[in-house]
Amino acid sequence: SQTIHQWPATLVQPVGSPLSLECTVEGTSNPNLYWYRQAAGRGLQLLFYSVGIGQISSEVPQNLSASRPQDRQFILSSKKLLLSDSGFYLCAWTSNEAFFGQGTRLTVV
Amino acid sequence: QKEVEQNSGPLSVPEGAIASLNCTYSDRGSQSFFWYRQYSGKSPELIMSIYSNGDKEDGRFTAQLNKASQYVSLLIRDSQPSDSATYLCAVPAYSGAGSYQLTFGKGTKLSVIP
Repeated sequence: SQTIHQWPATLVQPVGSPLSLECTVEGTSNPNLYWYRQAAGRGLQLLFYSVGIGQISSEVPQNLSASRPQDRQFILSSKKLLLSDSGFYLCAWTSNEAFFGQGTRLTVV
Repeated sequence: QKEVEQNSGPLSVPEGAIASLNCTYSDRGSQSFFWYRQYSGKSPELIMSIYSNGDKEDGRFTAQLNKASQYVSLLIRDSQPSDSATYLCAVPAYSGAGSYQLTFGKGTKLSVIP
């Protein structure tokens, strides 16, 4: 069966520091992968999606970037975090419906 | 811009009652519809999917779809305190480049009062 791993679960980072969140999927090949962000009390905002290695589409211009160095690995990065980057970050893969990782609670201080 | 709309709530129901959650969507061509449950601080989990007009039942959950009205709902019978969560409606949209994305509503927060 397919599983999705995302880490770390929680992260507290100072403003201006870099960020790297990693997501890996097991049990499927060439998955469509997604990064979502959920701000406090808000809905799920799609940040990036990828249909294959090296293929990244960005949904919103912002302080973040994504990379897909391997088929089942998806990385979310930032060179310099802003306070507004705080939120709950979710990695997901889709067949028809979406399946989510456990999420990373990021607090920028 | 494809949209999915939900009442944000909170919706409060007494234990044992029926909770009714509603969702409307803008893309008339949508063919699949999903309901996710999200407990506070946790990631969303899929609880129901529906593809055809009418009702689909799974245990205490019933999803209802009306494509003509662009409306999908989730009924929870015999509501339990453990059903207290935020319920997200999701509708896929083909985005080209071989992928499709799920567009989520903002969610309805349900509280079941013992």
